[in-house]
Amino acid sequence: KQEVTQIPAALSVPEGENLVLNCSFTDSAIYNLQWFRQDPGKGLTSLLLIQSSQREQTSGRLNASLDKSSGRSTLYIAASQPGDSATYLCAAFRGQNFVFGPGTRLSVLP
Amino acid sequence: GAGVSQSPSNKVTEKGKDVELRCDPISGHTALYWYRQSLGQGLEFLIYFQGNSAPDKSGLPSDRFSAERTGGSVSTLTIQRTQQEDSAVYLCASSLVFPASGSSYEQYFGPGTRLTVT
Repeated sequence: KQEVTQIPAALSVPEGENLVLNCSFTDSAIYNLQWFRQDPGKGLTSLLLIQSSQREQTSGRLNASLDKSSGRSTLYIAASQPGDSATYLCAAFRGQNFVFGPGTRLSVLP
Repeated sequence: GAGVSQSPSNKVTEKGKDVELRCDPISGHTALYWYRQSLGQGLEFLIYFQGNSAPDKSGLPSDRFSAERTGGSVSTLTIQRTQQEDSAVYLCASSLVFPASGSSYEQYFGPGTRLTVT
């Protein structure tokens, strides 16, 4: 059974810092891994999708990497801004199973 | 609007009553997903549809839960004889196609329905 964990559970940083969020999964035979952000009281917004054949994806200040062999993905946020404050979730997909991590709650202080 | 919509946004119901939650996916999206997010817990995958078919219903928490999709579009999640532990935010998502190995997809989420069972 796939299990997804995320470290840290919460993170507070001053504006402008670069930061890394970590996602680990137990079953490396995934098809895709996706990163989302969730704002309080709202649904999820897709940030980046990495296919199993890819090693990283970039969008603006965000960069996500995937290392299937070690069961890890990282989300790198450059030059963080207060608007980046949200909960960040990773989700691993294989077969008919979508498994989400518990999320990292990020606070970027002005 | 071009996004996934869900209704109602909030639902308060008494224990034992039935509720129906609705999801309108993005037009043209063949895959549709239901999730549940309980307070302080992560997202729990419930069920997905490929077109109107739900190949795997094992993720539904109990036989009080059922879901259907008609016309390859709107989906309803029905909870019968609601219990307090059913209180959660129910999220719906859709994607252009259902993912397979090597294929690219993105799930687009609706804003959710907050269900409170008193």
